[in-house]
Formats: sequence, C-alpha cells, structure tokens
Amino acid sequence: ETGVTQSPTHLIKTRGQQVTLRCSSQSGHNTVSWYQQALGQGPQFIFQYYREEENGRGNFPPRFSGLQFPNYSSELNVNALELDDSALYLCASRTSVSTEAFFGQGTRLTVV
Amino acid sequence: GQNIDQPTEMTATEGAIVQINCTYQTSGFNGLFWYQQHAGEAPTFLSYNVLDGLEEKGRFSSFLSRSKGYSYLLLKELQMKDSASYLCAVLMDSNYQLIWGAGTKLIIKP
Repeated sequence: ETGVTQSPTHLIKTRGQQVTLRCSSQSGHNTVSWYQQALGQGPQFIFQYYREEENGRGNFPPRFSGLQFPNYSSELNVNALELDDSALYLCASRTSVSTEAFFGQGTRLTVV
Repeated sequence: GQNIDQPTEMTATEGAIVQINCTYQTSGFNGLFWYQQHAGEAPTFLSYNVLDGLEEKGRFSSFLSRSKGYSYLLLKELQMKDSASYLCAVLMDSNYQLIWGAGTKLIIKP
C-alpha cells in the first residue's frame, strides 16, 4: 500500500470521447506526476503538478490536460481519444523535497 | 534527446543470481531509480542511487557509475516471485521528472 489511489481501475471509451482519471495523493505530498505506460513499454512522463500549478510537461499534445486541487488530489483529462491512448495511466506523488515517488495502482484505459 | 537502454528480457534459475544492466544518456541527472513491476500493476520502488558505488538492500543491490552512464541491479537467491519487469529510471534535475527505460522482463525458471 502506497497511500496513492487512482480511480477508476479500468475504463473502456470510444474513439473521440473524453475521459477524466483521478488520483488521490498520499497525505502531505504536494507534487504529483502522471505517466502513460503502453503495453511492454516503460512509463512516459505526461506532466507534473506542484501546488496546483503545472511545472513540467513531457511530449504529449494539448488534449492531455490536468488539474491539481488544494487537497493535492489531481485529475488527468484526455480529449478526443485516439486508439493509441489505450494504456495504463499511473500517477505518482511525493513531497517537493523528496526524490522518491509513490505510485498508485494505475488506471487501465482501453479506447475502442 | 534522452536515452535509457535495458535488455528486453532475461531468464534465470530459481536460487541463482542475475544482473540487469541499464545504460543512460540524458541531459540531466539527479539520481537513478530501479523499480519492480508485476504485470498489470504499478511500479514499486527498489532502490535509488545518486552517488557512485554499490547500495545493498537484502537480496537486491544496485550499482551506479555516473562517469560511464551505467547502472545495474543485482538480484540474489532468486525466487519465483521475482518474475517481473525491472525498470530503471533517471531523475532529471530540471523538474524532477523521471525518464524511464522500457524495462527488462525477468523470467525465473524452477
């Protein structure tokens, strides 16, 4: 148990739809990162939020967006879903002064 | 660009020792992590190296050489439950994002 929870655990969406994935951070963790992991690949960094502001972004298009709330929980929103968006989406939380991140169990998104 | 290389797959025997290598070329470096990931699950933390040398933690050890851009994870007394993917990840110093290798799938045989 890492204290980081994600919802839902599994999701099936149709191409073109929009999806919101949620992450509840470990208590006291003010920094959250989101990753996309395709089958058989390592995670790819999407973006990072610190105190409700995005402070880092990977090579993902603008249709991937996020929010972090005052309680440090966060959301990942993906618009205009494409088949290639099918992946495991992971969030990881940490404190701003710690290097170790704690991962949630992930959301498995399938786009059909 | 950022580049992290690991072997795709390795096979070892229960009770034996295996070494998983990772080489990296990144524009920044603030340490290297090793994570274990079972199929369909989230990665779990194994080790973090920021200085050169060997860090030992029970059956698992991790080594780092920053000058060579090289790390390895050593697993001793292998157990069947060690069958998993092992990912190395470099912590970038710009905004603390992790850059990941594709992972090494380790298969343990009886």
